[in-house]
Amino acid sequence: SYELSQPPSVSVSPGQTASITCSGDKLGDKFASWYQQKPGQSPVLVIYQDTKRPSGIPERLSGSNSGNTATLTISGTQAMDEADYYCQAWDSSTVVFGGGTKLTVL
Amino acid sequence: QVQLQESGPGLVKPSETLSLTCTVSGGSVSSANYYWSWIRQPPGKGLEWIAYMYYSGSTDYNPSLESRVSISVDTSKNQFSLNLSSVTAADTAVYYCARVGGSGSYSEYYFDYWGQGTLVTVSS
Repeated sequence: SYELSQPPSVSVSPGQTASITCSGDKLGDKFASWYQQKPGQSPVLVIYQDTKRPSGIPERLSGSNSGNTATLTISGTQAMDEADYYCQAWDSSTVVFGGGTKLTVL
Repeated sequence: QVQLQESGPGLVKPSETLSLTCTVSGGSVSSANYYWSWIRQPPGKGLEWIAYMYYSGSTDYNPSLESRVSISVDTSKNQFSLNLSSVTAADTAVYYCARVGGSGSYSEYYFDYWGQGTLVTVSS
């Protein structure tokens, strides 16, 4: 079965750039989506189709996808960005989520 | 604005069937533009996709759960439902319903609206 791998945790200082990776076999041949989940809340879509932002998502969140790795980049990280982030892709007609990355803003 | 709301028992006994319903407002489960899905999250763990369905009744399931899962739609009530049979403590989780939007191939779809989630505990 298809798997997506994410680092369990990433730390960043306020104002710096955070990069969260998602690895899977030939992931660049698929579209990746990213979801932000804060404690006690439902996941929120922040990036879809590799690079697109839904309405209301800050421009400092961006996505890329090439080769075996999709990356969520948060520029000028703020305290409000502290959350769990999940990548997601499709394997044929089934859905796969990555294990999630906890972003800590120190 | 699309809203989804899960409902169902918060406590299910081992070996019994977990049944949840998702009520959709601000949109229609009969729309040809979307799929409707269930995802779960065990306490302190990550997201696990369970299943999705299309208004026409076509469905797809997580292979690891397929033998125990069924989903259905009630267009008259604008709801879709989840049944998970023979539950164990490992099925204890927050269960989310979500809309799957996009166009074109499966790969271009994404989970754009989520319910607030409902905690289901499996215990005797």
